[in-house]
Amino acid sequence: NAGVTQTPKFRILKIGQSMTLQCTQDMNHNYMYWYRQDPGMGLKLIYYSVGAGITDKGEVPNGYNVSRSTTEDFPLRLELAAPSQTSVYFCASSYLRGVEGKITEAFFGQGTRLTVV
Amino acid sequence: GQQVMQIPQYQHVQEGEDFTTYCNSSTTLSNIQWYKQRPGGHPVFLIQLVKSGEVKKQKRLTFQFGEAKKNSSLHITATQTTDVGTYFCAVTGDVGNEKLTFGTGTRLTIIP
Repeated sequence: NAGVTQTPKFRILKIGQSMTLQCTQDMNHNYMYWYRQDPGMGLKLIYYSVGAGITDKGEVPNGYNVSRSTTEDFPLRLELAAPSQTSVYFCASSYLRGVEGKITEAFFGQGTRLTVV
Repeated sequence: GQQVMQIPQYQHVQEGEDFTTYCNSSTTLSNIQWYKQRPGGHPVFLIQLVKSGEVKKQKRLTFQFGEAKKNSSLHITATQTTDVGTYFCAVTGDVGNEKLTFGTGTRLTIIP
């Protein structure tokens, strides 16, 4: 199994440009997440999805958009890139099971290192 | 949303010394997970704790969930250079809001 695959691994954007970070998982997980991690800092939740067609905001959603048209894919769109969006972006997925709602471990992609100049 | 405080932020230890990181919440947690992120890498799941007072061990790592399910700890005995990295706790919200929120992390460096 490939697990969680993110593309690209690296990208340099100019201020005002747009791009889409791709994320796909092959584990049939219902939950998917996008986090950003600034240098030396923790993981901040940008957006998450509990299933196809359902997305919700995390802590830091401004400047980003997401969609979840399939179970496998959860792309993150940056519109009008700003230097403050320079960060490492991680996509993750996990599975919610059982009536107790216990969530399983999250699997992470390798990350996308984005620089906005 | 669910928030957890993690301390300390940094820890430098001599190789062979023990290390402990703590995660604290103001609300009762349904479960807690621990992850390790090596420098330049992505977070990797270590363990999940669910029961009040639960203690789990993985070789030199001991994980504990508080009796009130409001705090947790990760203890490493006799650290090795391979233990270098940042350790995060992560919690999920209540049923219907199970997004995964990470603590601030503890960065462990080892002095050989």
